[in-house]
Amino acid sequence: TQLLEQSPQFLSIQEGENLTVYCNSSSVFSSLQWYRQEPGEGPVLLVTVVTGGEVKKLKRLTFQFGDARKDSSLHITAAQPGDTGLYLCAGADKETSGSRLTFGEGTQLTVNP
Amino acid sequence: KAGVTQTPRYLIKTRGQQVTLSCSPISGHRSVSWYQQTPGQGLQFLFEYFSETQRNKGNFPGRFSGRQFSNSRSEMNVSTLELGDSALYLCASSLLRGRAQYFGPGTRLTVL
Repeated sequence: TQLLEQSPQFLSIQEGENLTVYCNSSSVFSSLQWYRQEPGEGPVLLVTVVTGGEVKKLKRLTFQFGDARKDSSLHITAAQPGDTGLYLCAGADKETSGSRLTFGEGTQLTVNP
Repeated sequence: KAGVTQTPRYLIKTRGQQVTLSCSPISGHRSVSWYQQTPGQGLQFLFEYFSETQRNKGNFPGRFSGRQFSNSRSEMNVSTLELGDSALYLCASSLLRGRAQYFGPGTRLTVL
């Protein structure tokens, strides 16, 4: 069974601070996706990373896929209250043609004004 | 382009009943996956359908089943409901197998 460990589980910071969320596994994934989820809604896809060592930027968010495709990080620069939400990483299972996602436990981010 | 839609959004059932949830994928998407989200277990994979065939199944009892129609719409069924089945059931669609998955808003099921 593939597992994804996400840390930290909770993060409360002030507006303008930077933060990093980590997603680690002992398994290799064919790709890794990051989602953000608001209460009572489904997860919204932020980015998909496929290549080991890949770095993608989405405005103030920077996503990195580890060289061995076992870990990933999400860095937010100058966080804003609108960034508040549950951040989830999800690895695509190579053995199931990438169709089965294994999710981390999530990081609940609160950005205080 | 419309996103993934799920109906109903909220459902209350009692133990022993059965329930059917519906999912309409993004137009053109052919793969549909279902997930269960609970506070204790997080998001867990239920099953995946592609071309009307179940391609993958998660570690859930046989009470959980599903199907996909020729227009890619999917339904999941839970029979003999238990209290522990209370959860947010999420459907996700992707263009093809292994591509990025886009989630619907979910169906909140409460079993009393």
